Amino acid sequence: EPEVTQTPSHQVTQMGQEVILRCVPISNHLYFYWYRQILGQKVEFLVSFYNNEISEKSEIFDDQFSVERPDGSNFTLKIRSTKLEDSAMYFCASSGYSTYEQYFGPGTRLTVT
Amino acid sequence: AQSVTQPDIHITVSEGASLELRCNYSYGATPYLFWYVQSPGQGLQLLLKYFSGDTLVQGIKGFEAEFKRSQSSFNLRKPSVHWSDAAEYFCAVVHPEGNTDKLIFGTGTRLQVFP
Repeated sequence: EPEVTQTPSHQVTQMGQEVILRCVPISNHLYFYWYRQILGQKVEFLVSFYNNEISEKSEIFDDQFSVERPDGSNFTLKIRSTKLEDSAMYFCASSGYSTYEQYFGPGTRLTVT
Repeated sequence: AQSVTQPDIHITVSEGASLELRCNYSYGATPYLFWYVQSPGQGLQLLLKYFSGDTLVQGIKGFEAEFKRSQSSFNLRKPSVHWSDAAEYFCAVVHPEGNTDKLIFGTGTRLQVFP
């Protein structure tokens, strides 16, 4: 069964450093998403991406964040200058024709020290 | 304010017992409704979804959920819980009229299963 994969599973970085989180969505999917979950809190929507453009973003997704689909398979989330409060589990998701049925990856745990 | 509420943070059941996890939403219109499960170290797996039609929805792993418009609820049920069902369960919605497909999640219910 096809699945969404994410790398790395755990990333530790120092405050102010740039990080790139990588995702490989399901191959024939067209819609891509990033969510995050701060420890002990809700899963929160960050951004959705379709046809090489951001289709929606949350208030969390400020200028420090960017997304990219650099090739036909990868979908990345970049945080330019990490802050302590960016420490969270980041989930990538993708969906096909039915954009309401999203399939999630296992997540990348980001720890900012 | 529009929201999704899971009143139970933590539930413990014995293996073989029945299970009901509660989810309430607060929206003007009926949203699209989902239940996801997250096992330790795993991503979020879609258990079932409701868009319209029959209010009793069957999902994977023997789970079902019932949509009750009068109660703004979408509770998840399983008649007999297995030890492997121990996980965190999330109710989520998509706002039906906001030209959006973002999922809005509840805070989750952690299920513990005793042998």
